[in-house]
Amino acid sequence: DVVMTQSPLSLPVTLGQPASISCRSSQSLVYSDGNTYLNWFQQRPGQSPRRLIYKVSNRDSGVPDRFSGSGSGTDFTLKISRVEAEDVGVYYCMQGTHWPATFGGGTKVEIK
Amino acid sequence: QVQLVQSGAEVKKPGASVKISCKASGYTLTSYGISWVRQAPGQGLEWMGWINADNGHTNYTRNLQGRVTMTTDTSTSTAHMELRRLRSDDTAMYYCTRDSYGGYDLFDYWGQGTLVTVSS
Repeated sequence: DVVMTQSPLSLPVTLGQPASISCRSSQSLVYSDGNTYLNWFQQRPGQSPRRLIYKVSNRDSGVPDRFSGSGSGTDFTLKISRVEAEDVGVYYCMQGTHWPATFGGGTKVEIK
Repeated sequence: QVQLVQSGAEVKKPGASVKISCKASGYTLTSYGISWVRQAPGQGLEWMGWINADNGHTNYTRNLQGRVTMTTDTSTSTAHMELRRLRSDDTAMYYCTRDSYGGYDLFDYWGQGTLVTVSS
């Protein structure tokens, strides 16, 4: 199975400051159709996961533009340009290129 | 708008079975798949499997094969997930999520979750 490794595990951030989460896969996530099926999810406390970014860098409708995704191959990053209080929660990367789909262990974003 | 509404919480004894439903609305069920994802208390997300809601083709994660069955009822736009021979480590929140027709890459809409507690 493809192992998704996220870092850091915990990310204390000052309001208004940037935050960055890394996600590394044990194999390339480029599929035979040329797409890279790497998604990012946000899970606020007590809520279901919410997809923020799909196929590495495409922001979902309604997601603030302070969220951005980048990367290629095996190395991916989720960035929040200026953290707001509503961004508190756990963030997961997930790959859908290889069976079975696998998630990273999660990064907990909290306010300092 | 797209919605996935799941059935309510369940408490089961070890060895029993549980069947969770996920009613889809706001889109054509048979144009997509449904994946099921679970989350043990305080833990991360685990993909359980996927069903193509049109042709019923399924794909389950290795460690649940033989215990899990995913089905869809197109007449009611409802997906079901049955897990048998429950163990204490099956205690988790179970989510359905809309997936692609081909499988495990979409996850754009999620149900509210169904808590399954396995306890003697």
